[in-house]
Amino acid sequence: AQTVTQSQPEMSVQEAETVTLSCTYDTSESDYYLFWYKQPPSRQMILVIRQEAYKQQNATENRFSVNFQKAAKSFSLKISDSQLGDAAMYFCAYREGPNFGNEKLTFGTGTRLTIIP
Amino acid sequence: DTAVSQTPKYLVTQMGNDKSIKCEQNLGHDTMYWYKQDSKKFLKIMFSYNNKELIINETVPNRFSPKSPDKAHLNLHINSLELGDSAVYFCASSQVERGGRVNEQFFGPGTRLTVL
Repeated sequence: AQTVTQSQPEMSVQEAETVTLSCTYDTSESDYYLFWYKQPPSRQMILVIRQEAYKQQNATENRFSVNFQKAAKSFSLKISDSQLGDAAMYFCAYREGPNFGNEKLTFGTGTRLTIIP
Repeated sequence: DTAVSQTPKYLVTQMGNDKSIKCEQNLGHDTMYWYKQDSKKFLKIMFSYNNKELIINETVPNRFSPKSPDKAHLNLHINSLELGDSAVYFCASSQVERGGRVNEQFFGPGTRLTVL
């Protein structure tokens, strides 16, 4: 079974600084997808960024970027120029390839990110 | 114009009661999901439905019964509620493209269920 591990239960960063959240996963599949979701205090789950395993290029979305190391099964999230609104729980998630029936997301245990003004 | 909505947002009930949580999406998606987030914030899938057909059924007690009257709705009925059922339940939806692009799952705001 696939597992997703987030080894940092809590992280904090000074406003405007850069922080990296770690995620590792275990799978025997070669085709899969990885996601970072953000859950602010409002409880809403918001997709931050996604990465297709077949793509070598790391995904970026504005201030958010990933470091995807397929051989190491590592998928870290870098947040640049941290803002107060980035304070949230961040979840790493995995799903298998695009075949029908593979839609299940497997989540890590989350990292609570605090932004220090 | 909420994309995925859930009712109620909060539900407090006594052990042994039966309760339902409703979910509706107006995104035109064909697949809907229920996830459970426990007190430690761990999120785990419970069920998924595609065009009203059950696709994913994780190891969930029989007391939990999902029902999809149409592809825009997926309700969760829970019988004989137990203390351990206290959690936040999230509904989500996505458009599944068979063998093609993987689309994002959109989540509802969650329903916090408290069993006393």
